[in-house]
Amino acid sequence: DAKTTQPNSMESNEEEPVHLPCNHSTISGTDYIHWYRQLPSQGPEYVIHGLTSNVNNRMASLAIAEDRKSSTLILHRATLRDAAVYYCILRPAGGTSYGKLTFGQGTILTVHP
Amino acid sequence: SAVISQKPSRDICQRGTSLTIQCQVDSQVTMMFWYRQQPGQSLTLIATANQGSEATYESGFVIDKFPISRPNLTFSTLTVSNMSPEDSSIYLCSVRETDRTSYEQYFGPGTRLTVT
Repeated sequence: DAKTTQPNSMESNEEEPVHLPCNHSTISGTDYIHWYRQLPSQGPEYVIHGLTSNVNNRMASLAIAEDRKSSTLILHRATLRDAAVYYCILRPAGGTSYGKLTFGQGTILTVHP
Repeated sequence: SAVISQKPSRDICQRGTSLTIQCQVDSQVTMMFWYRQQPGQSLTLIATANQGSEATYESGFVIDKFPISRPNLTFSTLTVSNMSPEDSSIYLCSVRETDRTSYEQYFGPGTRLTVT
C-alpha cells in the first residue's frame, strides 16, 4: 500500500488558517486522498477527500498537487474544537485493498486561544 | 450518516480471560471493520467482518485470538481471547457502504480495554 508522510505535530492560533501537509510520492493513479481527524477520546471522523482536483466542503479545503505526490488540508479558521490528530490516508479504488483505510501516525494539531 | 454504538465502553479484565465487544449500527451497512488503537498509537485494521461468512483478517491477526461474528447488516461482535496486558487498547468498530458514491467511513466511540 502506498504510504503517507505527515509532520508529527503542528500548532496554530485560534481563528487563523492552518495548512496541514501530506506527502504521498508513491500514490497510484486510482488512490483517493482522504483526510480523517480524531478528536480526543473519540473515534476518527471523515473530513474530506479528493482524487485530482481541489475540493471544498463545510469543514475544510483540500489542495492536491498537480502530480498528486502531495496534498494540503486547509482549515480556514481554526477553532479550539479543531485540536485533534489529522490523518492523511490513501484509499485504494480497486484491488485486494479496495476501500481499506490504512492509518499512519498523523499530525497532532494544537490550537492556542 | 451512520450512528455506531459499542458495548462496553470500557472494561478492566484479568489476563487469560476473554471479552466480547458489541457493535450496533443504526442502519444496514455493507462493510464493517474492527480496528485496534494501542496506547499513543494510530489505528490498525484487525479484520473485515463479513455478513454470513468468516471474517477477513489482516496480517498479524488470527481468528483464534480475535473471533468475529456478523449475524446481520447492523451488528457485529469482536472477542479478544486469552487476553494479555499487550491487548490493552482501544477497539473501534467502523462501517462503510460499498456504493461507489459513498466515501465516508464511520467509526464508533471505541471500547477501552485494560488487561491486568
